Amino acid sequence: KAGVTQTPRYLIKTRGQQVTLSCSPISGHRSVSWYQQTPGQGLQFLFEYFSETQRNKGNFPGRFSGRQFSNSRSEMNVSTLELGDSALYLCASRPNPGQGAVEQYFGPGTRLTVT
Amino acid sequence: DAKTTQPTSMDCAEGRAANLPCNHSTISGNEYVYWYRQIHSQGPQYIIHGLKNNETNEMASLIITEDRKSSTLILPHATLRDTAVYYCIVRDWGGTASKLTFGTGTRLQVTL
Repeated sequence: KAGVTQTPRYLIKTRGQQVTLSCSPISGHRSVSWYQQTPGQGLQFLFEYFSETQRNKGNFPGRFSGRQFSNSRSEMNVSTLELGDSALYLCASRPNPGQGAVEQYFGPGTRLTVT
Repeated sequence: DAKTTQPTSMDCAEGRAANLPCNHSTISGNEYVYWYRQIHSQGPQYIIHGLKNNETNEMASLIITEDRKSSTLILPHATLRDTAVYYCIVRDWGGTASKLTFGTGTRLQVTL
């Protein structure tokens, strides 16, 4: 079974621009979460989508948004990029939320550099 | 979610067992202990999880103390490829929310 895929893997943008990152979850997984990883703040939760609805949101400004499509693929968008948005953006998927502990599976990440 | 405390770094000789401790003294009854690891510049990788009983899979063993206030991840025969940052995370079963709160983890260095 193929793992979580993220595109693009690397991206360079300029301050003020916007960017869209894409995530395809493992086949059959319907929940997709996004995380930001920086050297200073570590791994931080951005948001989660299930059944095309945002279920949970981290403490990030409104410039960070996302969506999920009917095939469970997800995109996240960052508008008006700032230098501090340079980070590794990770996507994770898991099967249908439900009873019991469920592990998450992470993709390789998209490394965004803002200049 | 309960707070966890892990050593900042550990060394282990290749072929020996790596025992990574985690303290979670405020864990509540419905919270699981999860372990993930992150090899440099890759996404975190799920290793194992447990509630109260010891668990073993093909990657590792998880030993949870009887009072559940601490746990140990055991890599029985560490290899150079096990060099990574290991995260201990405590949270409830999740329901419809999958947020994981990552701390700073333990940086394990496996050496020849």
